[in-house]
Amino acid sequence: GENVEQHPSTLSVQEGDSAVIKCTYSDSASNYFPWYKQELGKGPQLIIDIRSNVGEKKDQRIAVTLNKTAKHFSLHITETQPEDSAVYFCAASLVGGYQKVTFGTGTKLQVIP
Amino acid sequence: ETGVTQTPRHLVMGMTNKKSLKCEQHLGHNAMYWYKQSAKKPLELMFVYNFKEQTENNSVPSRFSPECPNSSHLFLHLHTLQPEDSALYLCASSQGLAGGGGRGYTFGSGTRLTVV
Repeated sequence: GENVEQHPSTLSVQEGDSAVIKCTYSDSASNYFPWYKQELGKGPQLIIDIRSNVGEKKDQRIAVTLNKTAKHFSLHITETQPEDSAVYFCAASLVGGYQKVTFGTGTKLQVIP
Repeated sequence: ETGVTQTPRHLVMGMTNKKSLKCEQHLGHNAMYWYKQSAKKPLELMFVYNFKEQTENNSVPSRFSPECPNSSHLFLHLHTLQPEDSALYLCASSQGLAGGGGRGYTFGSGTRLTVV
């Protein structure tokens, strides 16, 4: 089955700096990679996703990159703000077939004002 | 409000109690899920329903019993739980299975369960 590893488990950055969270996956058949943000007391919320036919996707201050050959993908947050503080989860799955979504263990991001 | 509503938000129950968690979505999604979230562990998939039919039971103990009367409602019935079952229980829905059909999941805010 799929295995997703996520690093780092905790990350502290100064406000305005960039943050990068990295994930690796094991199943080369996986083709859909979403990222979720979980704020305190809330459920995870989808913030960006990428399919395997795309190498990079941006949405304002967040971007995701995917390297299919190396089987890793990363979340990039630029110009971090205190409201970016949360736990971020990556995930991998296969669209078009039935496969469980496999989540990473999460990264707790703290943005220091 | 995400479109997936879970009640109650918090629940404390004794090991001999019976309680139920409720999840409701009006997003028109056809798949609904129960996940367990424990500290320092990946999200654990418990059950999957597609068009109100159970398609997956991820080796969950029988003290957890799901029910899906229609595509908009999902319940998790709890009985004779153990303290290690204390966790955040998340409900999610998606349009299509397997990663949400390429559009991800919509999660509820969860029920924080404490078993005493």
